[in-house]
Amino acid sequence: EVQLVQSGAEVKKPGESLKISCKTSGYSFTNYWIGWVRQMPGKGLGWMGIIYPADSDTRYSPSFQGQVTISADKSINTAYLQWSSLKASDSAIYYCARLGKSGYEADYWGQGTLVTVSP
Amino acid sequence: QSALTQPPSASGSPGQSVTISCTGTSSDVGGYNYVSWYQQHPGKAPKLMIYEVTKRPSGVPDRFSGSKSGNTASLTVSGLQAEDEADYYCSSYAGSNNPRVFGTGTKVTVL
Repeated sequence: EVQLVQSGAEVKKPGESLKISCKTSGYSFTNYWIGWVRQMPGKGLGWMGIIYPADSDTRYSPSFQGQVTISADKSINTAYLQWSSLKASDSAIYYCARLGKSGYEADYWGQGTLVTVSP
Repeated sequence: QSALTQPPSASGSPGQSVTISCTGTSSDVGGYNYVSWYQQHPGKAPKLMIYEVTKRPSGVPDRFSGSKSGNTASLTVSGLQAEDEADYYCSSYAGSNNPRVFGTGTKVTVL
């Protein structure tokens, strides 16, 4: 069974750093792209970027380029999303998702990680 | 890269059909047959309903169907049921320099 299990909710202050995780199981981690999606409170979905764990090829959406870092650790089948300096506007739910065999659709999703950034 | 345009809301009575549009450009929806649709219930993760414009993943009822014409893709839900009430988002491939782009989302209400 394919599973993506994300790390728990975080409460941080502006300027702090953060790294959230997405641990996968039930499939070959290195053979599928993994994507990260942001959902701000009461708002729609937004693609942040994707990574191919086999070679760490990473593509960022223009809005998120330079704002976050996406990485993956093949040894533990886990993808990461990190910030070096959080802003209040980073408060959102973040989802990881596996992209299907063709690489274009998200066929399995994590449960989401709520990040709250407040002074 | 702007979000794809969807109507904010759509509604129908049980048993009726509802169609949601998703309008992009020739750089995304119109340029590739890689449009997918997602259903999201409140407080839940999105769920894939349609991929590659018309294909349904295993387990998705055949009441859900997708199509595309030019720069506009559409999702049709036939035989509306109470559990279809949710937010729906389209997504499209937008070229190698931009992973993907979502639509603005449509709230479907079953009257």
